[in-house]
Amino acid sequence: GAVVSQHPSWVICKSGTSVKIECRSLDFQATTMFWYRQFPKQSLMLMATSNEGSKATYEQGVEKDKFLINHASLTLSTLTVTSAHPEDSSFYICSAVGWTTNVREQYFGPGTRLTVT
Amino acid sequence: AQSVTQLGSHVSVSEGALVLLRCNYSSSVPPYLFWYVQYPNQGLQLLLKYTSAATLVKGINDFEAEFKKSETSFHLTKPSAHMSDAAEYFCAVSDQSSNTGKLIFGQGTTLQVKP
Repeated sequence: GAVVSQHPSWVICKSGTSVKIECRSLDFQATTMFWYRQFPKQSLMLMATSNEGSKATYEQGVEKDKFLINHASLTLSTLTVTSAHPEDSSFYICSAVGWTTNVREQYFGPGTRLTVT
Repeated sequence: AQSVTQLGSHVSVSEGALVLLRCNYSSSVPPYLFWYVQYPNQGLQLLLKYTSAATLVKGINDFEAEFKKSETSFHLTKPSAHMSDAAEYFCAVSDQSSNTGKLIFGQGTTLQVKP
């Protein structure tokens, strides 16, 4: 089946630094990717919608200057957490939408655990 | 606007017993509904989805769910729980009548399976 990967799977960074998370669709082209955030013991909250070749659409309350999203190709979207702080520590999950075996589906990545110290 | 409510943040069953996880939805468009399972420190795995076809949807690992429009519900069931079913379960609704829109998730239900 279709696979979506995320890199890194976990990252620890110091407060004030930036960290980039990659989301790749490995065997299909993804015109749309979604970025979600999940705090411990909580549900997933949509952060933004990323469309290839255009600016991302952010959900209300998500700072676009802090969470930079770039969807530069049909197989790659990146989320950069700028000037990270401990409260940004979370599990970040992406999903990718694309055509696989004549069906348009949405697939989730395995997630990236970010810890800011 | 779309939303889902999962009744019961924690459900505990004995191994071999029926599993019932409740989900009610609200949608301004014909809903597309999903159940996902998440194991610790892992991503989401799709169990099943309702896409306006049959109201009784069968998924992986003997899970199934029934769409009931009159009750705005999409409860997840499994006849016999296995220890390996212990995980977090999320119900979700798409923001559009498709399976490729952004998803609005419920709060999640932790399923505990006792030996």
